[in-house]
Parts: sequence; structure tokens; C-alpha cells
Amino acid sequence: SAVISQKPSRDICQRGTSLTIQCQVDSQVTMMFWYRQQPGQSLTLIATANQGSEATYESGFVIDKFPISRPNLTFSTLTVSNMSPEDSSIYLCSVVRARTEAFFGQGTRLTVV
Amino acid sequence: QKEVEQDPGPLSVPEGAIVSLNCTYSNSAFQYFMWYRQYSRKGPELLMYTYSSGNKEDGRFTAQVDKSSKYISLFIRDSQPSDSATYLCAMRPSMEYGNKLVFGAGTILRVKS
Repeated sequence: SAVISQKPSRDICQRGTSLTIQCQVDSQVTMMFWYRQQPGQSLTLIATANQGSEATYESGFVIDKFPISRPNLTFSTLTVSNMSPEDSSIYLCSVVRARTEAFFGQGTRLTVV
Repeated sequence: QKEVEQDPGPLSVPEGAIVSLNCTYSNSAFQYFMWYRQYSRKGPELLMYTYSSGNKEDGRFTAQVDKSSKYISLFIRDSQPSDSATYLCAMRPSMEYGNKLVFGAGTILRVKS
């Protein structure tokens, strides 16, 4: 398994501001993944964060809105920029060990008011 | 049409009941099938995964895959109040490193004591 620490666990933010979510893994991994989980909906992959290269974004997600950093093999951040109430959601980071299953952090519950 | 369909519930059962959770999917390329359990305010945790068709048992949990019908199930025997959570099915075409998961919306299960 993998121990993934994610913070903050929750936050209430004003619209128009930005929030940076941090994800720390207990061992080195090549890829880290960021998901969004909206109420009553599937987990949706936002982007894949690779160490040493630009993140790869899924359709419907752009770097200006969700910039990602991956400074080393155990850490990544996701920023939710210029927030609106539609960004209220749970954001999750995840890792996949080579040829094994995905493991998740505890999530960040974001409310934009 | 969503790639993975899952009834959101909630499903409410008495303690000791057998629970059946199901997902259907449309992409015949899916080969790996997973079930995650997510408690309130926590990240998803892997319960079971299976490859291709067949059954897999782990304690009170049985995962079943029918690729001909594009249908997967998770059975919980002797359900306990501690099983109350959201259950997410997930699947992927292969276990190649970094291959993204596609999730169902999750089924809320409530086991009443």
C-alpha cells in the first residue's frame, strides 16, 4: 500500500481566490494523479503529474485553472485558481505503484462561497 | 452514455443481510475491475480487484465479473453497520503503469443495526 497525506482536509474559500492543495507520499512514485469528486458523481481525473515534465490534463481541464507542480518524486500540489461555487468539490490525489492498484489520499473538501 | 453506470442508491439493508452492488459498462476493452469503499470524509480504499471474468472471494466479500454481459457485482455477506459507506466500482483496459481508471458514480450503502 501507500501512505498519502493530503492537506488541507477542508477549506471554505471566497470566490475569485485560489487554493493550493498539497499531496505527500511516503515513498517515491513516478506518477501522481489528481481527481475531482462532485456530489453524486464519479471520480473524474483532472490531470496526471509527472516529475520533471508538464502535467497531462484531461479533456475539460486546463492548466490555467488547475496548475500542478511536481517538484520531486514524493510531492505534488494542485491549485484551484479563480474559484467559483462550481469548483466546490472533493479533490483527491492518487498514486499507482507499478502494475498495482490506485491508492488515494483522504481528500480535500472545498467549498467556495 | 457514461462508460460505467452505477446505481447511486442509497441502499438500506438490515444487519446480517446479503448485499449486492452492481455496475454495468460499455467499453469491451476493460479487463481489470476494482471495488473501492469510501467512508464519509475519507478517500477511497481498495477492497478487491479482479482480472477478466470470474469470481474472487475475500472474507465476507465476493467480486464477480461477467464480461459477456459487461456487468460486475460485489456481494457482501453478513453485512455489518461498519460496512455503511459508498462503494465505487472502477475499471481499466490494462494494468500498464499510468493507465487511468474509469469510476462509477458510487452506491451509498446503509446497514441498519
